[in-house]
Amino acid sequence: AQKVTQAQTEISVVEKEDVTLDCVYETRDTTYYLFWYKQPPSGELVFLIRRNSFDEQNEISGRYSWNFQKSTSSFNFTITASQVVDSAVYFCALSDDNTGKLIFGQGTTLQVKP
Amino acid sequence: NAGVTQTPKFQVLKTGQSMTLQCAQDMNHEYMSWYRQDPGMGLRLIHYSVGAGITDQGEVPNGYNVSRSTTEDFPLRLLSAAPSQTSVYFCASSYSGDVREKLFFGSGTQLSVL
Repeated sequence: AQKVTQAQTEISVVEKEDVTLDCVYETRDTTYYLFWYKQPPSGELVFLIRRNSFDEQNEISGRYSWNFQKSTSSFNFTITASQVVDSAVYFCALSDDNTGKLIFGQGTTLQVKP
Repeated sequence: NAGVTQTPKFQVLKTGQSMTLQCAQDMNHEYMSWYRQDPGMGLRLIHYSVGAGITDQGEVPNGYNVSRSTTEDFPLRLLSAAPSQTSVYFCASSYSGDVREKLFFGSGTQLSVL
């Protein structure tokens, strides 16, 4: 069955530290998409990134970077030089082609302290 | 741009009461959906719609009804509220419902059933 696991329930760091959020997935599909969403304290989930299963290139966007490795079924998210505004719940999600649905992980709560 | 608008933001119900959570989007999206967010369980799909007049069940549909009479609106009805329905509810939309598309989320409705 399709599954997304975010083993880190809560992470607390001090501002300017680097932090990596782990995401491990299970799928039998050969083609699939992986997503990261951010849920700030305001509550609304915001899309961060989408990767397809054929593109294993790492991606960097400012302080954010994503490491996609099919060999380990992982799609980890790193924030460099974290800031207080990065405090949020982060969700990893996997597309399920059979059902056409997204499968979300449990979420990781990141607290960045000043 | 309003995006996805949910009302109310907070609601307290007594067991057995009924109510409707409202969701409206102004992006002309064909796909709309309802999720519930519970601690440690991520987001789970309740119901979804791929267009006006078309609805279908998600992962956890019991106790909820939906209808889609217009492209813009997708209300979620709780017929007889139960404490197990205490949760945060999110409405989300996308252009066509293709699983590769990013979802746009509302700000959520926090529901407590006593």
